Amino acid sequence: AQSVTQLDSQVPVFEEAPVELRCNYSSSVSVYLFWYVQYPNQGLQLLLKYLSGSTLVKGINGFEAEFNKSQTSFHLRKPSVHISDTAEYFCAVSASGGGADGLTFGKGTHLIIQP
Amino acid sequence: EPEVTQTPSHQVTQMGQEVILRCVPISNHLYFYWYRQILGQKVEFLVSFYNNEISEKSEIFDDQFSVERPDGSNFTLKIRSTKLEDSAMYFCASSNSPNSYSPLHFGNGTRLTVT
Repeated sequence: AQSVTQLDSQVPVFEEAPVELRCNYSSSVSVYLFWYVQYPNQGLQLLLKYLSGSTLVKGINGFEAEFNKSQTSFHLRKPSVHISDTAEYFCAVSASGGGADGLTFGKGTHLIIQP
Repeated sequence: EPEVTQTPSHQVTQMGQEVILRCVPISNHLYFYWYRQILGQKVEFLVSFYNNEISEKSEIFDDQFSVERPDGSNFTLKIRSTKLEDSAMYFCASSNSPNSYSPLHFGNGTRLTVT
């Protein structure tokens, strides 16, 4: 079984400042890693994913994340945030060996952009 | 871009009543999922469905819950006798592959309020 920890429930950041949203996971098997974003009153949208290869993955809207196997982390970063980035961000994992139960999500981090 | 649609966006029901939450997955997708998110908590897996059968279900998905694909386009979640603790946001998702690296496409969710 897998689990995901997002330590920060809320992260306030000033506009144009950099941001890092933390995600740690635990798993007894190899995993795939995902970040989803949920804008107000909308569904979950895939930001980026790590499957294999380069540990730095780039996603939509200028976000990137780095997979660190030794630290079991997959932190999400953006060098300069915009008001429109205000949303809930969810880290998720799935077992790379497959499995019909889809994704295990973290609790989410609410990114609040202050003007 | 094709999307998953869910109706209604908000459902209010009295305890003990039956509710049906509806989803129209992306048309060429074959794998369907329901997740729920109780306010302030994690997005939790409920059930996955393929080829008119449940593939996997979580502990949450007890006998009160059922899923159905009544026709070629709809995918429904029924809660037979709702409880207060069923109040949550319910997300439908679909994918074109059961592989755990295939991203899930989520709908906007149905907010269920049980009074």
